[in-house]
Amino acid sequence: DAKTTQPPSMDCAEGRAANLPCNHSTISGNEYVYWYRQIHSQGPQYIIHGLKNNETNEMASLIITEDRKSSTLILPHATLRDTAVYYCTQGGKLIFGQGTELSVKP
Amino acid sequence: EPEVTQTPSHQVTQMGQEVILRCVPISNHLYFYWYRQILGQKVEFLVSFYNNEISEKSEIFDDQFSVERPDGSNFTLKIRSTKLEDSAMYFCASSVPTGGRGLNTGELFFGEGSRLTVL
Repeated sequence: DAKTTQPPSMDCAEGRAANLPCNHSTISGNEYVYWYRQIHSQGPQYIIHGLKNNETNEMASLIITEDRKSSTLILPHATLRDTAVYYCTQGGKLIFGQGTELSVKP
Repeated sequence: EPEVTQTPSHQVTQMGQEVILRCVPISNHLYFYWYRQILGQKVEFLVSFYNNEISEKSEIFDDQFSVERPDGSNFTLKIRSTKLEDSAMYFCASSVPTGGRGLNTGELFFGEGSRLTVL
């Protein structure tokens, strides 16, 4: 099974940028990297995805390394409502790893 | 905005009983999924479904489980003879895949989940 690895938890001050790393060393050449988050016990919510180039949308930015073995999700101005578990996944593998529990603190 | 809907939101059942969880995926989506989340644990993949057949399943998805798309709109998960350890939140999701069949799932849209409690 494809395996992504993420730090189990991170803290971030409100208003600061949150940078969440993910290692996906087994990713194949045409698999996208996807990021989701889960707030409390709600259904996971899609955030962003990318293949090779960096991507940005209204929620976040995604930085993918040149070798594609890791990526970083950036929440540029974290708010208390961004407190959640963040998951990165590889393309078609449908597997969520342990995720990173992000706590945004006032 | 289109959304995935799931029913019931909460079901309580006795051990050994059969349970059917229902999902209405987004209408133009082609891939359908079930995930589960045991309280305090991560979201776990159960099964994906495409073109009226299972395309991938995890080791959790054993003979106790089955999925069906009975009428072109609903997507159901049946759990036969429920066990205490089946107590969990079950999430349905749907997507339009990109990058070739099965290679990239596309953005998954999740429902709000069905909480199953087995007593």
